[in-house]
Amino acid sequence: SQQGEEDPQALSIQEGENATMNCSYKTSINNLQWYRQNSGRGLVHLILIRSNEREKHSGRLRVTLDTSKKSSSLLITASRAADTASYFCATDYRPDDKIIFGKGTRLHILP
Amino acid sequence: DAGVIQSPRHEVTEMGQEVTLRCKPISGHDYLFWYRQTMMRGLELLIYFNNNVPIDDSGMPEDRFSAKMPNASFSTLKIQPSEPRDSAVYFCASSLTEYNEQFFGPGTRLTVL
Repeated sequence: SQQGEEDPQALSIQEGENATMNCSYKTSINNLQWYRQNSGRGLVHLILIRSNEREKHSGRLRVTLDTSKKSSSLLITASRAADTASYFCATDYRPDDKIIFGKGTRLHILP
Repeated sequence: DAGVIQSPRHEVTEMGQEVTLRCKPISGHDYLFWYRQTMMRGLELLIYFNNNVPIDDSGMPEDRFSAKMPNASFSTLKIQPSEPRDSAVYFCASSLTEYNEQFFGPGTRLTVL
């Protein structure tokens, strides 16, 4: 399968700690995106990083991309209860250019 | 804008019945995507449209599934006949361009008994 693989599948941390999730993929990509899905809701776009970028920030989110290792990481700093959700990476692969979602990381923030 | 609108939000039907899911994308978005989400298979892209034209339907599981987009503000996903293994949450999403941010609807939870 070409889809990205998130790691870990599930993660539980204390409120206030940082959460790191990883996404690995198999072939060259154009872009990589991260989405969040709260229970029972649709996915919400968080951030897009292009293949020629190495790092992007958005509020408490930091995304890195290492094309040599074919991997990306999403860091959420100072986690909050509201960050409890599933997080997905989505990649559009060359040459098909079809966006494919991974199976996600379930993040649980403990009070 | 109200975002992507899907209806119904929940659908319970019996095996063999026809099911029609509906989607209204965000106005001005040229791309519309249909996804299916299950615990086992995750989020699968079924089909997507550009300017009302189907571009890639390779994810449609079988001939029982069909999708149409008669105009820029409406799309349907039809399953006929439905089977229990079709039970899933079906999402519609739209975007301005093919590779940028997708805006997802709230989904339709389908249960086929």
